[in-house]
Formats: sequence, structure tokens, C-alpha cells
Amino acid sequence: EPEVTQTPSHQVTQMGQEVILRCVPISNHLYFYWYRQILGQKVEFLVSFYNNEISEKSEIFDDQFSVERPDGSNFTLKIRSTKLEDSAMYFCASSDPREFPYEQYFGPGTRLTVT
Amino acid sequence: QKEVEQDPGPLSVPEGAIVSLNCTYSNSAFQYFMWYRQYSRKGPELLMYTYSSGNKEDGRFTAQVDKSSKYISLFIRDSQPSDSATYLCAMSKTSGSRLTFGEGTQLTVNP
Repeated sequence: EPEVTQTPSHQVTQMGQEVILRCVPISNHLYFYWYRQILGQKVEFLVSFYNNEISEKSEIFDDQFSVERPDGSNFTLKIRSTKLEDSAMYFCASSDPREFPYEQYFGPGTRLTVT
Repeated sequence: QKEVEQDPGPLSVPEGAIVSLNCTYSNSAFQYFMWYRQYSRKGPELLMYTYSSGNKEDGRFTAQVDKSSKYISLFIRDSQPSDSATYLCAMSKTSGSRLTFGEGTQLTVNP
């Protein structure tokens, strides 16, 4: 069964460093998303991406964050200068707008630890 | 007031019990409702997806939506130890748009 994959599974970085989290969405999907979950808290939406541009973003997704689809398979989230409070699980999701309703399928997540 | 409220539990039941999980929401713009299951340190896994008031059944799982009361439920019949997980309700205003999640209810089914 097709699935969303994410790398790395765990990333440790120092405060102020840049990190790039990578995702490979399900191959025929066209909508891509990033969510995060701080330990013990709810899953929160960050950004959605369609047709090579951001379609929606939350107030969390400030200038420190960016997303990119560098090729036909990868979808990345970049955090330019990490802060301690960026420590969280980051989940990528994808959906197919040709299949109503557009169910969002999640990857296993990347655990980001900022020290 | 939170947009989506869900009792975090924890909820502990014996094997074979019927489990009822619930969420309430305040924003009437939500039209699409989902239940996800999340095992520890894993990604959310979609269980049920509904977009109209009423019931939807899939095996041992039944999702119920009452838009007039802004209340959704997930029932698990004949619960199994393998059902032990955190159950997240989620909802969106349009199909494919951002999901707003509840806090999640941690369920343990004891053999």
C-alpha cells in the first residue's frame, strides 16, 4: 500500500542552525501538508502546498519556515534558524484532490530536537 | 473557547467493551470530520471520514456526526488490546483544507 515517507526519523540540531526535513508524498497525490506536534500537545497545521505554491498557512508558519518541492517526488520543510520551541514531531501529509473527499495521509514523522 | 475540544482521558476498558470517544466543536464552518488513530511516536492513521450528519460504519468502528449539536463520536465495538492508542478527532472547513485536531484521547484496552 502506498505511504508517505519522511527522513530523517530523528534530527538533533543546535539552536540557530538551519534544518531541512524531507518527505516523499504518495506518488499520485497533489496536495501536500506539514503539521507539527509538540510533546504532549495537539497536532497543529503549519502549511499546505498545491500546484507549486503555498495554498494555506497558519500563524505558526512565519518567515523562519519555508517549503519547497525541489523535484517530482520530494517535499521539504526548512527552518532557517531553529529555536528551542521548534522541538516537536513534524508530520508530512498528502492528499489527492481527484478523489473526493481529499483524505490526508500522514507520514511517520521526524522528531526534531533543538538543543 | 477552543475550536475543537476532546477529553484527553486516559480511558481504560476491558477487552470486548464498547468504547465511546467524543469531540465537540464551536465553529459551524467545519463540514468534514475525521478520526485518526495514533500509536506512540507514530504518525496519525486515518480511521474514518464523514462529511454529513448521521452514522458511518466500518467494521467494528462507527462514526457519528451531529452538526446541529456540533458533536462527533467514534464508537468501537468488541474492543481489542490492539486498539490501545490515542484517538484524534480532526475536522476541516472544506475537503483538503487544513485539519484542526482535538487533543486526542488515550485509550487502553486491557486483556
